[in-house]
Amino acid sequence: NAGVMQNPRHLVRRRGQEARLRCSPMKGHSHVYWYRQLPEEGLKFMVYLQKENIIDESGMPKERFSAEFPKEGPSILRIQQVVRGDSAAYFCASSPTGTGGNEQFFGPGTRLTVL
Amino acid sequence: ILNVEQSPQSLHVQEGDSTNFTCSFPSSNFYALHWYRWETAKSPEALFVMTLNGDEKKKGRISATLNTKEGYSYLYIKGSQPEDSATYLCARSGNTGKLIFGQGTTLQVKP
Repeated sequence: NAGVMQNPRHLVRRRGQEARLRCSPMKGHSHVYWYRQLPEEGLKFMVYLQKENIIDESGMPKERFSAEFPKEGPSILRIQQVVRGDSAAYFCASSPTGTGGNEQFFGPGTRLTVL
Repeated sequence: ILNVEQSPQSLHVQEGDSTNFTCSFPSSNFYALHWYRWETAKSPEALFVMTLNGDEKKKGRISATLNTKEGYSYLYIKGSQPEDSATYLCARSGNTGKLIFGQGTTLQVKP
């Protein structure tokens, strides 16, 4: 059973470009969470998605960031018009249910560098 | 306490020493407390999920306790080994699973 997959592992973008980060949850998991780790900071929640639905986006920046988890395919975190402050490690985690009592399984992360 | 706080921030011990870390969290509207182990260049790996006041969980040489009334959890490592070197994260979750993490405790075990 493959774990949570994220790609790319490293992504370099110039200011103003778009970044697309992909997350394939563990088999059988339909709940995906995205977290961000800014330099010198801890992991911060961004968004929680279930298949085809955004359940909680309270941690998402108001502009330029969006997320989706379609019926088929991976979850995508999209950052439009990237700025240097978006440079961070982005992790996704999946869970079989969307309850707080279940452990979340983390992917290896995508390290975004904005030049 | 408004946020999840962990102490100490870092810890250096000798191989064979036992050690413990603290996680403090808001006790109101508590749902679950998670402990993760995060080695450099790897993914955070779940150690424990605890929900009930007084919970104690154990995995090998690592154990954890939970006090939801006063809002703290302890993680213990007995007889630390170099392979225990990692950052240990605690996180509080709500009913939807959204995790609020502490800053972590980085443990370095010297052979």
